[in-house]
Parts: sequence; structure tokens; C-alpha cells
Amino acid sequence: DIQLTQSPSFLSASVGDRVTITCRASQGISSYLAWYQQKPGKAPKLLIYAASTLQSGVPSRFSGSGSGTEFTLTISSLQPEDFATYYCQQLTFGPGTKVDIK
Amino acid sequence: QVQLQESGPGLVKPSGTLSLTCAVSGGSISSSNWWSWVRQPPGKGLEWIGEIYHSGSTNYNPSLKSRVTISVDKSKNQFSLKLSSVTAADTAVYYCARTYYYGSGSAAWYFDLWGRGTLVTVSS
Repeated sequence: DIQLTQSPSFLSASVGDRVTITCRASQGISSYLAWYQQKPGKAPKLLIYAASTLQSGVPSRFSGSGSGTEFTLTISSLQPEDFATYYCQQLTFGPGTKVDIK
Repeated sequence: QVQLQESGPGLVKPSGTLSLTCAVSGGSISSSNWWSWVRQPPGKGLEWIGEIYHSGSTNYNPSLKSRVTISVDKSKNQFSLKLSSVTAADTAVYYCARTYYYGSGSAAWYFDLWGRGTLVTVSS
């Protein structure tokens, strides 16, 4: 089974910061990776699929890159509404990265 | 626009069967999509349970396969989840979601539309 790990598990950042979250797969998964944002008490929201394709309606400050076993989600300038938990997903979901306010 | 809504009992007894339904509104369940169930234990991460196509074809998470049945009712535009022999470990928020396959591989998929989720607690 392919396992996904995320780093960091938690990060504290300020509005305007550039934030990068990494997702690593235990074996190569081509570009078959999606990223989700989840806020407390809400369902996950799709941000990016196919590693780098932005879902319709998602702000352009979100971007994704990578292929094979290493992937990144970048938020170019963190906004107040971006404080949430982020999950990567292939056949399974990663454990999540919580982005909190510094 | 398509919306998903989960419904079902919020409390299930240990060893019993969890039953949930997801109603699809604003679109047809017979569209070219698969329909999934995903769960999230309180304070923990997400776990895909399984999926169904309107034809009745299903795929299940191997770790839950022996206990899961997903079915579809096209006349009611809804699909359902049954999870048997539940324990406290099955306590979670259960989401239904639309699955979209974008490539040639079975792993080229994502969940682009979600219900709000429903909390199911397993307790006597």
C-alpha cells in the first residue's frame, strides 16, 4: 500500500507569509495527487488535483508542484481565511498539516 | 448546482450496523461520476470507505471491505452506506462525496464535491 506523509504536521505563520507544505509518497505516484483544505466543522475543500492543477474558484495564491514521490503545496501570501488543516490525497489521505496563526 | 446531503441515525450500538444515505440534488446520480463515502474520527484524519457507480459497480477500502456495503437507488437519486459490526473505533463524521476520475489510471481521482457530513457515534 502507498503511504503518504506530510511535513510539517503543524506550522505557525503570519498573514502575508509564504507557506510550503510537503507531501511524500512511499512509492512513485506520477502526478496523481490532490490537495484539500479543511476548516473546523466543515467538509474538506478541493484545492488542487493532478499535483498542480488549480480547482476552479480557488485563489491563485495556492499552487502545487511535484511528481513521483515528493509534492508541495504553496500558499504565496497567507490570508486570514487560509488558517486551516491541509491534506494531500492519492489512494489514501495524508495525516494533515495544521496551519495556525502566529 | 449539485449538492449532497447525508442522513441517518447519529447513534449506533456496538456490534450493530451503521446505515447512512446521501441524497443528490441539483443533478443526476446517473452522471459520469462515482460516488464515495469518506469518514473522519473526531480530531483525526480522513479515510476513504468506498465508492459506487450508478450501474452498481463498487470499490471498497480493503481495510473495511468485509464490513461495508454501498448501494445506489437511482429512482431516489441517492446512495447508501452500511457498515456492520461497528465498534467505538467507527465513531466519526461520515461524508459523502462525488468522485472524479481524470486520467487513465485508477489512482487519477479526486473528490470535488462534499456533503456537510454527519456525526455517527457508536455507544451503548
